[in-house]
Amino acid sequence: KAGVTQTPRYLIKTRGQQVTLSCSPISGHRSVSWYQQTPGQGLQFLFEYFSETQRNKGNFPGRFSGRQFSNSRSEMNVSTLELGDSALYLCASSLETGERAEAFFGQGTRLTVV
Amino acid sequence: KQEVTQIPAALSVPEGENLVLNCSFTDSAIYNLQWFRQDPGKGLTSLLLIQSSQREQTSGRLNASLDKSSGRSTLYIAASQPGDSATYLCARSNDYKLSFGAGTTVTVRA
Repeated sequence: KAGVTQTPRYLIKTRGQQVTLSCSPISGHRSVSWYQQTPGQGLQFLFEYFSETQRNKGNFPGRFSGRQFSNSRSEMNVSTLELGDSALYLCASSLETGERAEAFFGQGTRLTVV
Repeated sequence: KQEVTQIPAALSVPEGENLVLNCSFTDSAIYNLQWFRQDPGKGLTSLLLIQSSQREQTSGRLNASLDKSSGRSTLYIAASQPGDSATYLCARSNDYKLSFGAGTTVTVRA
C-alpha cells in the first residue's frame, strides 16, 4: 500500500518567486492537511481539506494557499516567497475524521528560499 | 490557547534502558492523541494513536497512555535500542488539525 507522496522532495527558489507543492494521499483517504516545520517554530498547521473543502486554516498570511482535487490530491502554493518561508513542508492524509483519524505523513518537501 | 508541551527536550540513555517521554496539553477537548517518530530530515512516522475514549495503546515495545483529566500522555519504550534514536513528537487532534509539541530528541548509546 503506497504511502503519502509529496513532490518535489527538494526545491530551491529565489525571493519573490512562487512555488507549488503537491501531495498525493494514501488511496481512499479524503482528508489532507499541510504543516510547516522550521527549527524555530516547530510544526505549524497550514490548512486541512476534506472532499475539496477547506475546513480549517492556520495562522499564515494569504500568500499561502491550497486546494484539493476530486481525486483527493492536494496542492499548496506560496506566492512572493520570503527567506522565512524556507522550511520542510509536510502533508498528511487520514481516512476518517474525528477520533479514529490516524494521520499519516509524507516525507516532505524541503523548500529553500535564497 | 491550545498548547502541547513535551518534557524533556532531549534525553540520552544507554542501550537497554526504558524510555519515558511526557506530553501535556492544556485543553482536554481532544479527539485523539497521536505519537510520532521523526528521523533527521525525514517525515513523521505514526507510532500510536490513542482515541479520546481510550486510556492506552500498545504496539510491541511501545506503550502510550492518555489521561484527559490531567491533560497528560506518556510514551514508554521498553528496552531501548540504538535504532530508537530519533525525535518523538506528540500531537493532539481537534478542529480538523494536529497541534504538536516541540518534541523530545532521544539518543540511545550503544
